[in-house]
Amino acid sequence: ILNVEQSPQSLHVQEGDSTNFTCSFPSSNFYALHWYRWETAKSPEALFVMTLNGDEKKKGRISATLNTKEGYSYLYIKGSQPEDSATYLCASRAGYALNFGKGTSLLVTP
Amino acid sequence: EAQVTQNPRYLITVTGKKLTVTCSQNMNHEYMSWYRQDPGLGLRQIYYSMNVEVTDKGDVPEGYKVSRKEKRNFPLILESPSPNQTSLYFCASSLWGQGEQTYEQYFGPGTRLTVT
Repeated sequence: ILNVEQSPQSLHVQEGDSTNFTCSFPSSNFYALHWYRWETAKSPEALFVMTLNGDEKKKGRISATLNTKEGYSYLYIKGSQPEDSATYLCASRAGYALNFGKGTSLLVTP
Repeated sequence: EAQVTQNPRYLITVTGKKLTVTCSQNMNHEYMSWYRQDPGLGLRQIYYSMNVEVTDKGDVPEGYKVSRKEKRNFPLILESPSPNQTSLYFCASSLWGQGEQTYEQYFGPGTRLTVT
């Protein structure tokens, strides 16, 4: 079983602040790294899927980077808004299985 | 509308009474998976399926069964539910690529199960 670790566990920022989270994963047998956004009372929704070392992806104010050699990915949110409040999950694909971290819970207050 | 559906959405049952949670997707996805979500433990994979008649265990398969007789359906079966299976369950599906190709997962709305 792969251990996917996310930090911090939770984060509270003010509207307009930029923030970032970390996802660490074993670099051996790595296939892909997924990021999902999970709002309360909803289902997780995909943000990014990254496979190559050095990958960078962007969607609006949210971006992510991937380092497969050292086994980490960063998720950045620029100018956080209250609607960004959610739990952000990362998951590492190894073989056919997808292993999730416990998530980072973000609260953005006006 | 492309979607993953699960039924029931909520279920309260008693220990030992067999139950099935259905999962269906209309996107012609090869890969389907079941997860359970428990406080402090995150999403844990129960079973997954790479295609019809091809299934494999995830991290926490004990007490669960699955089948994949049709591409669109992937039911989760609890033969003899116990209180430790009280949880929020998600079904998900995605396309499946060869080698290092990988695709985002689409999640169903979740099934909240309580076993008393």
